[in-house]
Amino acid sequence: DAGVIQSPRHEVTEMGQEVTLRCKPISGHDYLFWYRQTMMRGLELLIYFNNNVPIDDSGMPEDRFSAKMPNASFSTLKIQPSEPRDSAVYFCASSFVEGWNEQFFGPGTRLTVL
Amino acid sequence: DQQVKQNSPSLSVQEGRISILNCDYTNSMFDYFLWYKKYPAEGPTFLISISSIKDKNEDGRFTVFLNKSAKHLSLHIVPSQPGDSAVYFCAATSQGAQKLVFGQGTRLTINP
Repeated sequence: DAGVIQSPRHEVTEMGQEVTLRCKPISGHDYLFWYRQTMMRGLELLIYFNNNVPIDDSGMPEDRFSAKMPNASFSTLKIQPSEPRDSAVYFCASSFVEGWNEQFFGPGTRLTVL
Repeated sequence: DQQVKQNSPSLSVQEGRISILNCDYTNSMFDYFLWYKKYPAEGPTFLISISSIKDKNEDGRFTVFLNKSAKHLSLHIVPSQPGDSAVYFCAATSQGAQKLVFGQGTRLTINP
């Protein structure tokens, strides 16, 4: 299995631009999570899906952030418009229903907003 | 409010000695705890976990201790090896819930 796949690995953009991050979870996993890692706050959960349905988006910082999961093998996290404070590493993770909450993470997307 | 806290941003240990990473939590509903390890440019990977019905779980060189009354857990690595140099995240959840709450991470450096 290829594991969780994220693209792009690095993204540099200018303030005000739209950014779209992509994730392909491990096949057969029912849960998909989007996290943001910063020095100050560590790993923060932004949103998670169960069977493609958003369950908890309480971690999404603002209306500028949105996430979708149109099917079991693909999810996007969009920031529009982007701001310098959005610069961080964004991780996608997936898990089984009975996986004792062990989540499998992708390699992350490092986002820099200038 | 940070429900899971790792108060030491970094830790440096001599190779062969014991590394002890600490984690505190505030939510008494948490009953399952995990440690993840993260190398640069990679995603976190699961290391070891413990349920609240236990106070210790051991896996090779890694042992996690849980003190429920103090709402504190620790990860012991013995002996420490250079390949253990990484960022370690503590995480907590409630059984049946899929949501993990992570701490800020501790960067462990093992010196030769």
